[in-house]
Amino acid sequence: EAQVTQNPRYLITVTGKKLTVTCSQNMNHEYMSWYRQDPGLGLRQIYYSMNVEVTDKGDVPEGYKVSRKEKRNFPLILESPSPNQTSLYFCASSLSHHKRINEQFGPGTRLTVL
Amino acid sequence: AQSVAQPEDQVNVAEGNPLTVKCTYSVSGNPYLFWYVQYPNRGLQFLLKYITGDNLVKGSYGFEAEFNKSQTSFHLKKPSALVSDSALYFCAVRDDSSASKIIFGSGTRLSIRP
Repeated sequence: EAQVTQNPRYLITVTGKKLTVTCSQNMNHEYMSWYRQDPGLGLRQIYYSMNVEVTDKGDVPEGYKVSRKEKRNFPLILESPSPNQTSLYFCASSLSHHKRINEQFGPGTRLTVL
Repeated sequence: AQSVAQPEDQVNVAEGNPLTVKCTYSVSGNPYLFWYVQYPNRGLQFLLKYITGDNLVKGSYGFEAEFNKSQTSFHLKKPSALVSDSALYFCAVRDDSSASKIIFGSGTRLSIRP
């Protein structure tokens, strides 16, 4: 089945403890991105990647890192999580970064930072 | 700068009645407009998009949206609502002057009562 998968789906952690949320797609998509969803704010883009080894900041990149060593994987790294990073995170991918293409979303990761 | 507004946090409709979820946008170039739906504990699913051409766009689950350039709007509509349409709906926009940036609205919760 063509899909975007994320792990873990739920995570509770403490301030300062490094964590990684994995994202993987099996559709050979070039473009991948990370969003956070917060009540009343919609989705905001954190980072995106147009292809392997090509990443760029979205609208809210502070406190996050990403890497794109392989086409299928796009992990989100929080080196030192803080409570304001408590949120619902979505990974998404699309065939290319062309603006006409809609993205396919993963199921989400609910992160709580205490 | 790009922006998207969904002026209603919540829309309540009786089953069988027509529904409208509003979206207005602001871009500097030509807009590419999208609607996504989010069911509880699920990721976002693509509904429909406007790229160019016919102003009335038809999408999944019987939804349609009308692009109105003069009013800078892209309202989502359905002639006859179903209880199963109850979900969170997001409007999103890209423009052809920004590199891969997509902006989401804050979301509108649609509630269909039996």
